[in-house]
Amino acid sequence: DVVMTQSPLSLPVTLGQPASISCRSSQSLVYSDGNTYLNWFQQRPGQSPRRLFYNVSNRDSGVPDRFSGSGSGTDFTLKISRVEAEDVGVYYCMQGTHWPPWTFGQGTKVEIK
Amino acid sequence: EVQLVESGGGLVQPGGSLRLSCAASGFTFSNYWMIWVRQAPGKGLEWVANINQDGSEKYYVDSVKGRFTISRDNTKNSLYLQMTSLRAEDTAVYYCARGRDCGYWGQGNLVTVSS
Repeated sequence: DVVMTQSPLSLPVTLGQPASISCRSSQSLVYSDGNTYLNWFQQRPGQSPRRLFYNVSNRDSGVPDRFSGSGSGTDFTLKISRVEAEDVGVYYCMQGTHWPPWTFGQGTKVEIK
Repeated sequence: EVQLVESGGGLVQPGGSLRLSCAASGFTFSNYWMIWVRQAPGKGLEWVANINQDGSEKYYVDSVKGRFTISRDNTKNSLYLQMTSLRAEDTAVYYCARGRDCGYWGQGNLVTVSS
């Protein structure tokens, strides 16, 4: 099974400052079709998860452009250029290249300092 | 607007059974893989099961194999998860989501396994 490892697990951030979350996979996530099936999700307190990015860097509709997804192979990053109060929550990466199983990272909790 | 509405959760005793449903609307249900994901209290997300568009392919996390069954009815735009031999460690909020890439999620349904 592919293991997804996120860091840090807790990320206190000052409003208006940048934030960065790392996600590493135990195997390359490049599929035989050339795509990389790495997704990012946001889960605000008390809410269902919401997808932010698919295939590493494709932003979902309605996701603010202060969010960006990047990376390749086994190393991926979610960045927030300037954190806002509504960004508080837990962020998860998930791989869909080597399945089953589909696997999630442990989650990174973003909070305001 | 894509909507996924789960139902059927609740309190059940260890060893008991429960059937979750997920009603889909706002998209052509039969065109998409569907997925169940769960989240134990205070914990992260865990993939549970997937089913392809016509129900001919089904996959399960090892911990539920032989106990849970995923199914779908494309005439009713509905996804199901039949859960049997439930254990305390199955206690979680269960979400249905659209596609192998989980593009849309339901609101979740709490299943509590306790005596």
